[in-house]
Amino acid sequence: DAGVTQSPTHLIKTRGQQVTLRCSPKSGHDTVSWYQQALGQGPQFIFQYYEEEERQRGNFPDRFSGHQFPNYSSELNVNALLLGDSALYLCASSFGQNYGYTFGSGTRLTVV
Amino acid sequence: KQEVTQIPAALSVPEGENLVLNCSFTDSAIYNLQWFRQDPGKGLTSLLLIQSSQREQTSGRLNASLDKSSGRSTLYIAASQPGDSATYLCAVRGVTGAGSYQLTFGKGTKLSVIP
Repeated sequence: DAGVTQSPTHLIKTRGQQVTLRCSPKSGHDTVSWYQQALGQGPQFIFQYYEEEERQRGNFPDRFSGHQFPNYSSELNVNALLLGDSALYLCASSFGQNYGYTFGSGTRLTVV
Repeated sequence: KQEVTQIPAALSVPEGENLVLNCSFTDSAIYNLQWFRQDPGKGLTSLLLIQSSQREQTSGRLNASLDKSSGRSTLYIAASQPGDSATYLCAVRGVTGAGSYQLTFGKGTKLSVIP
């Protein structure tokens, strides 16, 4: 049973560019959440998608946007990249409230 | 606003020692609490999930307890091994509103088990 799959694994972008990260949830999961983890910090919630709609958003600017597709997979888009956007981006999937979250291996984004 | 604190920030122990990692949270209105392990530069691996109605969960050498009223959880690791070296994160899920759709994480405890 495949877990959460994220692509790409690593990415280097130039300041001001745009980036798209992708996530396929664990089989049977219908909800996808995105987190940003800076070095030495705990993950910070960006937003959650359910039924192709953004259900909740954390304290991140509008430069961060997302999408969920009918097959439950999701994309995270970041526009006008800043050096401070360099981080590990984690995707997590879940189903219902009684079960925990399953995380992917993350995408390491470096902005130069 | 929920805040999660993990103590200690780092811990170094000799192989074979039993150890306890601590997690505290400010809002006791949680749905569940989840402990994760993170290896350097990698994603999160779920270790244990404790529902708010439960007092503890066990998996192999790991035991996690939850005292919701006091806002505390502990992760007990028995007979530690070098392979246990990693950062351990705890995260809580709220009951209502925005908190019910997100996990709030601590900064983690970095564990080093010395052979």
